[in-house]
Amino acid sequence: AQKITQTQPGMFVQEKEAVTLDCTYDTSDQSYGLFWYKQPSSGEMIFLIYQGSYDEQNATEGRYSLNFQKARKSANLVISASQLGDSAMYFCAMRLDSNYQLIWGAGTKLIIKP
Amino acid sequence: EAEVAQSPRYKITEKSQAVAFWCDPISGHATLYWYRQILGQGPELLVQFQDESVVDDSQLPKDRFSAERLKGVDSTLKIQPAELGDSAMYLCASSTSGGAYEQYFGPGTRLTVT
Repeated sequence: AQKITQTQPGMFVQEKEAVTLDCTYDTSDQSYGLFWYKQPSSGEMIFLIYQGSYDEQNATEGRYSLNFQKARKSANLVISASQLGDSAMYFCAMRLDSNYQLIWGAGTKLIIKP
Repeated sequence: EAEVAQSPRYKITEKSQAVAFWCDPISGHATLYWYRQILGQGPELLVQFQDESVVDDSQLPKDRFSAERLKGVDSTLKIQPAELGDSAMYLCASSTSGGAYEQYFGPGTRLTVT
């Protein structure tokens, strides 16, 4: 079954510390993509970072990096030097290349403490 | 920077009334998605369009929900009659290349049914 699991419902992190948000996925497909989105309290869904299943290097976008461990089927998001504005819900999603639809995790609520 | 537009941002309606949401995707994006997101959960795909054609509406409650994208550009999602359980955030997203790359989301419409 195709599934995304985010095991951390909520996290508190001190400002300026690094934070890792966990994501594991389950699929029998060989070709897929993994995404992380940020959703602030205002509601819009903001694309952060993407990793393709055939990409050998971990994706990075500014302070965001994706720790992709294919054998373990994990795609953790790492935020370096966290900021107060990083407080939000974070969703991991998997795109199936058979239909290009996204399967979403339940999300992790991240709160950055000053 | 191009954005996905949605209106209204907020809607309060009484049960059994009709309600409609509008979405204008990023120019040139052929693929358009409507999602429903219940508080505390990840988004759930309702319908996917490729140009003016429905690609997937398997999760759309067709007895009360309808969606159209007549000219393959903007789209309307309608609920008639609304029920209390329809209270949620309704998100529209668009993408290029049939969804092979990231989806860009609008600000959403927060619906409250009383």
